[in-house]
Amino acid sequence: GNSVTQMEGPVTLSEEAFLTINCTYTATGYPSLFWYVQYPGEGLQLLLKATKADDKGSNKGFEATYRKETTSFHLEKGSVQVSDSAVYFCASPLYNFNKFYFGSGTKLNVKP
Amino acid sequence: DGGITQSPKYLFRKEGQNVTLSCEQNLNHDAMYWYRQDPGQGLRLIYYSQIVNDFQKGDIAEGYSVSREKKESFPLTVTSAQKNPTAFYLCASKPGGGGYTFGSGTRLTVV
Repeated sequence: GNSVTQMEGPVTLSEEAFLTINCTYTATGYPSLFWYVQYPGEGLQLLLKATKADDKGSNKGFEATYRKETTSFHLEKGSVQVSDSAVYFCASPLYNFNKFYFGSGTKLNVKP
Repeated sequence: DGGITQSPKYLFRKEGQNVTLSCEQNLNHDAMYWYRQDPGQGLRLIYYSQIVNDFQKGDIAEGYSVSREKKESFPLTVTSAQKNPTAFYLCASKPGGGGYTFGSGTRLTVV
């Protein structure tokens, strides 16, 4: 069936380490893809998005490339900071533009 | 600035009480949504509304009710039928072809 799947957490990294959080989707066609970030006690904020295949979304040093061959949208950052500690959610409308499908969230802990 | 306002930030409910969570947006978005988030968990869809005076059940609608009398407002009532209401509740809105904008959430606790 249609779904968004992301890697289980928590992910614990040291400051300045490289980050990858995997996200794959199952759907027909090429839906828009999104990454949201949730800091403790807050709502979700849009981090970046890609609306078509081969697009790259980027924001605050984070990047994700829409790869249609692998139906993936992995989130990457070259050098994480303690302030990046949060929960990251991959999301997409998939086939139904009336509502989004969210991954289960990946908690990132960055240690100084 | 445009955005979504949820109130209150913290809410306490006694057993058997109904409580209403407020969600207001000034983004002129047609669609609005309510999600529930339990500690360490993802988001679960409670209700959503595409237009005024119309709404649909999400995955966990039992024990909840909503109304959409105005485009800007989408209040959620947690009824006494919801047996485990303690959670973080998130409201969101969305334009036709875009992504969600979320409010800052309401934390509901049963006392």
